[in-house]
Amino acid sequence: QVQLVQSGAEVKKPGASVKVSCKASGYTFTTYAIHWVRQAPGQRLEWLGWINAVNGNTKYSQNFQDRVTITRDTSASTAYMELSSLRSEDTAVYYCARDLSVVTAPLFDYWGQGTLVTVSS
Amino acid sequence: DIQMTQSPSSLSASVGDRVTITCRANQSINSNLNWYQRKPGKAPKLLIYAASSLQSGVPSRFSGSGSATDFTLTVSSLQPEDFATYYCQQSYTTPITFGQGTRLEIK
Repeated sequence: QVQLVQSGAEVKKPGASVKVSCKASGYTFTTYAIHWVRQAPGQRLEWLGWINAVNGNTKYSQNFQDRVTITRDTSASTAYMELSSLRSEDTAVYYCARDLSVVTAPLFDYWGQGTLVTVSS
Repeated sequence: DIQMTQSPSSLSASVGDRVTITCRANQSINSNLNWYQRKPGKAPKLLIYAASSLQSGVPSRFSGSGSATDFTLTVSSLQPEDFATYYCQQSYTTPITFGQGTRLEIK
């Protein structure tokens, strides 16, 4: 069955970076794009960006353009999201999600379990 | 960014009730609207995509409608497992944006 398994919780200091992994199984990794979404306490879900698992092309939200980097390792069927210059407002649960669409508008049919990133001095 | 607004923000209902949640975009998104269900401590689950298409495995009591700026999610007869938070999401353009969520509680 399709699974996206994310790395464990992280505690970081302001100004540091965090890298979250998302390992896919149960399907051919390069068939579908991977998106990253987060939810801070009391806030709505917020999209960070996505990666084309075939060619590695990425697109990021302008809200995170300078701080987020999404990569993938096809040999490991794993996508990564790195967020730099962390601040307290980045405390959130971060999710990866598989994009079921291939040619149509994105829709997320499988999600990782979420990774809590806490930014605190 | 396209702003998505859901109403109501919370809703109390009983098992067997018919409930409707609305989602409004501040500009036309055609039919590029998806609905998710989320339970505490769990990742969101895709219910409806492209405004009205039922995701595989989702019970037929869930339905979606709408286009352009106004959309609805309807649950025809609430079951105990349906009490959760529901989110709409536009995928018409990036950045992809979500509604603030509608919390469906047991009356």
